[in-house]
Parts: sequence; structure tokens; C-alpha cells
Amino acid sequence: DAMVIQNPRYQVTQFGKPVTLSCSQTLNHNVMYWYQQKSSQAPKLLFHYYDKDFNNEADTPDNFQSRRPNTSFCFLDIRSPGLGDAAMYLCATSPSGQFYEQYFGPGTRLTVT
Amino acid sequence: AQSVSQHNHHVILSEAASLELGCNYSYGGTVNLFWYVQYPGQHLQLLLKYFSGDPLVKGIKGFEAEFIKSKFSFNLRKPSVQWSDTAEYFCAVNARGNKIIFGKGTRLHILP
Repeated sequence: DAMVIQNPRYQVTQFGKPVTLSCSQTLNHNVMYWYQQKSSQAPKLLFHYYDKDFNNEADTPDNFQSRRPNTSFCFLDIRSPGLGDAAMYLCATSPSGQFYEQYFGPGTRLTVT
Repeated sequence: AQSVSQHNHHVILSEAASLELGCNYSYGGTVNLFWYVQYPGQHLQLLLKYFSGDPLVKGIKGFEAEFIKSKFSFNLRKPSVQWSDTAEYFCAVNARGNKIIFGKGTRLHILP
């Protein structure tokens, strides 16, 4: 089945230790998104790629970076995780254009110790 | 700026009760509207969507939503809920481009 895959599902990192979360898709969608979701809150868009074009949200901290080496893969790098970065990180994909829904992966739950 | 408001943060119902979850958005132009559901331990998935045409939209698992443009609303309904509907429900709006804005979600708990 075509899908969005996130690895790992659970990630524990130490305060200040860089961490990378990965996302892959078999849907061949142009657009890939990274969201941060904290408990009882709406998913918050961090950035998205339209093909290779990177689009950062204005309020996304510089601590968060992303890479998209090809259509299928997208990575979220947190350069120096703080305790406030503990959250669920969701990857999503969609075809280009506003008339399509987004398809979500299962998420990676990040714990910062 | 666009925003989405979900009025009920936590709803508890008994099985067979009727459900209506409120959603209002703020944007004066053309919008695309969605309801997503997140079952316990599972990923977000689409329940239904409205782009144009009939303002009463039917989705999966017996859910429907009505777009009322004059009220900027897109309320989710189900005539008779089941225990398996226990989940978190998110209303979302796309007004332009590739981005959608989510509401804060409504946690629905169905008592067997």
C-alpha cells in the first residue's frame, strides 16, 4: 500500500544532542510537510517542501532544519534539542495545489532528557 | 490571518447518541475545508472534505459535515455514534497554496 513512513516511531535524545527524524513516502507526492504536535494542541506546521523548494514558517525556530534529498525522503534535523522540543513530529505529503488533502505518517514521538 | 476554532475540547457521549462537533474558521475568501480523525495510537486520516458544490458532505464511517458560508462554519455530525468513534477530531482549512491550518482538536470519548 502507498503510504507515509516515519522512523523511528519513538526517539529519545539528550538535551543539546542533535537528532534527525526521517520520513519517506511511496505516494510520489510533490509536497512534503513537517508538523510539530504537542499534547492537546493542533499540529503546527514547521516547514514544507514543494518539490525541492523549501518553505519555512516564519515562527519556526532556527534550531529546526530540513533536507529533502529526493522525492521520496525528507528529514527533520533538530540541531540542539531543548526540553520544549519534546513533542510528536508528524510528516505529511500531498499532491501540489490546494485542492488535495494531506496524507500523514504515524509520527515520531521525541523525548528530550 | 486564517484561524480555525473548535468549540468543544472534550466531548463524552453514550453509544447511539447523536454527535455534532463545531468548527468555525476566519477567512473571507474561498476555502477548502477538512475534518481529520486520529484514533488512539494511529495516524491522522481524512474523514471528509469540502471543496465546492453541495455544502453537505458525506465522509467515511457515517460522518457528514455541512458548510454554511454565512456562518463560516463546517460542523461535523453523526446521527448515532459507536464506541469505535472514540478519537480526536481536527477541523482544518486551506485558503491558499499548499498549507492547511488545523483547529486545536476535539477529544471524543464514547461510553459503551
